Amino acid sequence: NAGVTQTPKFQVLKTGQSMTLQCAQDMNHEYMSWYRQDPGMGLRLIHYSVGAGITDQGEVPNGYNVSRSTTEDFPLRLLSAAPSQTSVYFCASSYSGGRGDTQYFGPGTRLTVL
Amino acid sequence: GQSLEQPSEVTAVEGAIVQINCTYQTSGFYGLSWYQQHDGGAPTFLSYNALDGLEETGRFSSFLSRSDSYGYLLLQELQMKDSASYFCAVMGDYGQNFVFGPGTRLSVLP
Repeated sequence: NAGVTQTPKFQVLKTGQSMTLQCAQDMNHEYMSWYRQDPGMGLRLIHYSVGAGITDQGEVPNGYNVSRSTTEDFPLRLLSAAPSQTSVYFCASSYSGGRGDTQYFGPGTRLTVL
Repeated sequence: GQSLEQPSEVTAVEGAIVQINCTYQTSGFYGLSWYQQHDGGAPTFLSYNALDGLEETGRFSSFLSRSDSYGYLLLQELQMKDSASYFCAVMGDYGQNFVFGPGTRLSVLP
């Protein structure tokens, strides 16, 4: 069991570039989510998915797109990178997203936008 | 919406007991979770309280008072490796998204 994996671990972009952050889990979890964490702050939800083909916006969705074509994968796309998107991005999954479910986090992607 | 408040920093010495508080405001409450995050690492789950009272897991305990919209994480026999940030979290309005508090940075001194 690899758990939740994220690639890349580090990325530097120029303003206006686009890219996709990859997230995969092998625990057959229905619920997956993306968070961003700015220095010294908590995690803010970007988008989440309760199953393949179903996604919804979180607290800070602007500038990001997601899709969920399979249970395993939940990529996050930055459409046109901006310096304000410099952050650490965490992907997480849980069995159902329900009450008391443990969320398992990936190791994170550290993104810098110049 | 939801909002959570935590102290920004707590300092304690090795072997001591420390309590990290969390107050929350949410329109629908489905339980309070706690996560630990070491510098440069990913958050990891510590505990979950759905009902009032104390939940104990080894050196860590978590308490919830629904009437007071308040919970805390209690860490006993502190060790240097407990130095980390601790986040409380609640389930969102739709029961399918999590909202995290700002985090409390715990420093354990020798």
